[in-house]
Amino acid sequence: RKEVEQDPGPFNVPEGATVAFNCTYSNSASQSFFWYRQDCRKEPKLLMSVYSSGNEDGRFTAQLNRASQYISLLIRDSKLSDSATYLCVVFRGYQKVTFGTGTKLQVIP
Amino acid sequence: DTAVSQTPKYLVTQMGNDKSIKCEQNLGHDTMYWYKQDSKKFLKIMFSYNNKELIINETVPNRFSPKSPDKAHLNLHINSLELGDSAVYFCASSAGTGVKLERTEAFFGQGTRLTVV
Repeated sequence: RKEVEQDPGPFNVPEGATVAFNCTYSNSASQSFFWYRQDCRKEPKLLMSVYSSGNEDGRFTAQLNRASQYISLLIRDSKLSDSATYLCVVFRGYQKVTFGTGTKLQVIP
Repeated sequence: DTAVSQTPKYLVTQMGNDKSIKCEQNLGHDTMYWYKQDSKKFLKIMFSYNNKELIINETVPNRFSPKSPDKAHLNLHINSLELGDSAVYFCASSAGTGVKLERTEAFFGQGTRLTVV
């Protein structure tokens, strides 16, 4: 089993839709979690950290479920500019950083 | 100002050559990384380097070697390049060592697209 797993998609959604991605991790010792966004041919950039209590940043909500070992990202009112690949990142100390393969989102006009 | 910068952005070279990619960060971070992103877009950590301690991903061939002249630089040397080395290589840095979790955000360079022909 992969340490971090994501549905590669693509998720094709109309503008204004709500879309959610999940990411599962296998190692219960994982310490911190992030969602990164990567545009085509660009570097990954931090979208948001994921806290145990859940956190929200505008249209984006991230949640962590330690019992079931998954994190989620919810995007409300999708914009065309949200089209990108969303990478789940699991951190288990600086020497053990694992990226998911990413979920591709395409927002359609 | 670019926080993490890598050069060159593009590198085309022949099989068997030796090449280097340079990386510099001006964030004062303690930890630097090299990642490889293959054609399937899978980002895989190759090395992490913190306070002169190098952690190597055991799947990385020993043709790849990181060199850190100082805390702000982590260069990647590749010997005897092979076709399968073609990928995008990203340098990254983070403030924390994993102990202080709030400082573990990684900042990435723009990537070096390596093509081996």
